Amino acid sequence: AQSVTQLGSHVSVSEGALVLLRCNYSSSVPPYLFWYVQYPNQGLQLLLKYTSAATLVKGINGFEAEFKKSETSFHLTKPSAHMSDAAEYFCAVSENTGFQKLVFGTGTRLLVSP
Amino acid sequence: DGGITQSPKYLFRKEGQNVTLSCEQNLNHDAMYWYRQDPGQGLRLIYYSQIVNDFQKGDIAEGYSVSREKKESFPLTVTSAQKNPTAFYLCASSTESGLTEAFFGQGTRLTVV
Repeated sequence: AQSVTQLGSHVSVSEGALVLLRCNYSSSVPPYLFWYVQYPNQGLQLLLKYTSAATLVKGINGFEAEFKKSETSFHLTKPSAHMSDAAEYFCAVSENTGFQKLVFGTGTRLLVSP
Repeated sequence: DGGITQSPKYLFRKEGQNVTLSCEQNLNHDAMYWYRQDPGQGLRLIYYSQIVNDFQKGDIAEGYSVSREKKESFPLTVTSAQKNPTAFYLCASSTESGLTEAFFGQGTRLTVV
């Protein structure tokens, strides 16, 4: 069964600094990988997804992630943090075997200070 | 606009009562899901449905029930058997293809009083 590990329940950065949120996955078959963002008391919004095409995936709001099979990782980055990036971020994996059933990590809360 | 609507946004329940959370989608998606979110635990799958009149238990189905009588609707009932129902509940939908993502509603926060 697939699983996701997100290192760090909280990450703090200064405005303008690099954002790096870590995600490692486990899957017995080629995975599909997703990053979602959640603002307080709201649903989840897709940031980007990897579905076995390009290993470097660009998403919304300037975020990108790189799929590294050798490291079983899918870390999320943004070159320059903005105050509006403060939110909770979830990494998710599903198996490339037809019906999609997402498995989520425990989430990382990003704090951005002025 | 297409999307997923959850209602109500906030719900209070007395101990021993059943409550039903509504989830409606107009995305023409076949699959629908219910997740429970607790602080520090991510999202845990309660039930999912791939097609009308069929649904499967997820990882934490005890104390919950669902129905899928229409493609657009997937209501979740939190029964009195659920020991700790206070949580944020999220409904989602997707096509059956693994290439597409799940779309989420805005959530219902249930509090037992």
